[in-house]
Amino acid sequence: EIVLTQSPATLSLSPGERATLSCRASQSVSSHLAWYQQKAGQPPRLLIYATSNRATGIPARFSGSGSGTDFTLTISSLEPQDFAVYYCQQRSQWPIPFGPGTKVDIK
Amino acid sequence: QMQLVESGGGVVQPGGSLRLSCVASGFTFSSYGLHWVRQAPGKGLEWVAFTRYDGSNQYYADSVRGRFTISRDDSKNILYLQMNSLRVEDTGVYYCAKDRRDYYMDVWGKGTTVTVSS
Repeated sequence: EIVLTQSPATLSLSPGERATLSCRASQSVSSHLAWYQQKAGQPPRLLIYATSNRATGIPARFSGSGSGTDFTLTISSLEPQDFAVYYCQQRSQWPIPFGPGTKVDIK
Repeated sequence: QMQLVESGGGVVQPGGSLRLSCVASGFTFSSYGLHWVRQAPGKGLEWVAFTRYDGSNQYYADSVRGRFTISRDDSKNILYLQMNSLRVEDTGVYYCAKDRRDYYMDVWGKGTTVTVSS
């Protein structure tokens, strides 16, 4: 079973700053990785799929990169609505777990 | 627009059973796979189960395999999760999610809460 780890657990930044979130897989998932955003009291929202493709309606300030075992979600300039928890998810093989999440909070 | 609405959550004793439902609208239900994902209080997301668009295959997390069953009724646009032998650690919000056809989840319901407690 593939295990995902995310770092850091918490990222404290100010609006306008750049956020860089990391997801690492215990074995290669090729490019089969997604990122989701979840705000308090809301369901998750798909941001990025297949490593670097933005989902419908996702702003260009969100971008994804990586391959194999190391992946990055970058938010180029944080907007107030971007403070949330971010999860990665692999779909390379069953089961398809999520990572433990990175909380991006306001500094 | 595409929508998923879960129901069936509640309070149940350990060892008990519940059946969750998820009603879909706004898309061709029979053309898409569907997932259940849960979230324990204050914790992260845990993928639970998936059924293919035609119901031909189901996949489960190790933590629920043998106790939970995912199924679908395409005539009613409803996804189900039958949960048996419930444990305290099954407590949480249960979300259904639509698959994009590539095992990524692009539409989510608002969730239904399951509490397993004596």
